[in-house]
Amino acid sequence: EVHLVESGGGLVQPGGSLRLSCAASGFTFDDYAMHWVRQAPGKGLEWVSGIDWRSGDIDYADSVKGRFTISRDNAKNSLYLHMNSLSADDTALYYCVKDMGVWGTSAGHFDHWGQGTLVIVTS
Amino acid sequence: DIQMTQSPSSLSASVGDRVTITCRASQGISNYVAWYQQKPGEVPKLLIYAASTLQSGVPSRFSGSGSGTDFTLTISNLQPEDFATYYCQQYKSAPFFGGGTQVEIK
Repeated sequence: EVHLVESGGGLVQPGGSLRLSCAASGFTFDDYAMHWVRQAPGKGLEWVSGIDWRSGDIDYADSVKGRFTISRDNAKNSLYLHMNSLSADDTALYYCVKDMGVWGTSAGHFDHWGQGTLVIVTS
Repeated sequence: DIQMTQSPSSLSASVGDRVTITCRASQGISNYVAWYQQKPGEVPKLLIYAASTLQSGVPSRFSGSGSGTDFTLTISNLQPEDFATYYCQQYKSAPFFGGGTQVEIK
């Protein structure tokens, strides 16, 4: 059974930084692209970033480009999101998400979601 | 970016009803559309991808259609467990979700 467990969320001041982690199990991690999707309280879903199996194809939403960095460690079955220059607009539940694409490339749709880790940016 | 405009933002329906939710893409995206269901306090669940392919384990009362710019999610014979928020998503380019449709009990 696929399990995605996020960690690293918390309270942070505007302008601060945070690193989110996602521990994956139940599937061959380096066979799949992975993504981060966020959801602000009471709001809809927003794709944040995605990474293919070998970290060769990486993309970001315009809203986080230049501030966030996605990475993965296939040896540790882990996905990361480094977040810098945080603002109140980044307050959200951040989901680690598995892509359905085969051969490690991104199909762009998501079949498994973690429970999320909450990031709150406040002074 | 290719954006998705979803409508309606909410609707009220009764058990047994047929419900239709639409999404319009800001430009043609072939069939690169997925639909998700999210119940309160739960994570999103993939229902349909490639506009009309039902994800494994999803009941057949859910169906999707469309190509190009206009897409539809239909729930036939609405069941109590179907009351939730539904999101479309395009993946022709960087993934983008529609604003969501909350399906409420009439």
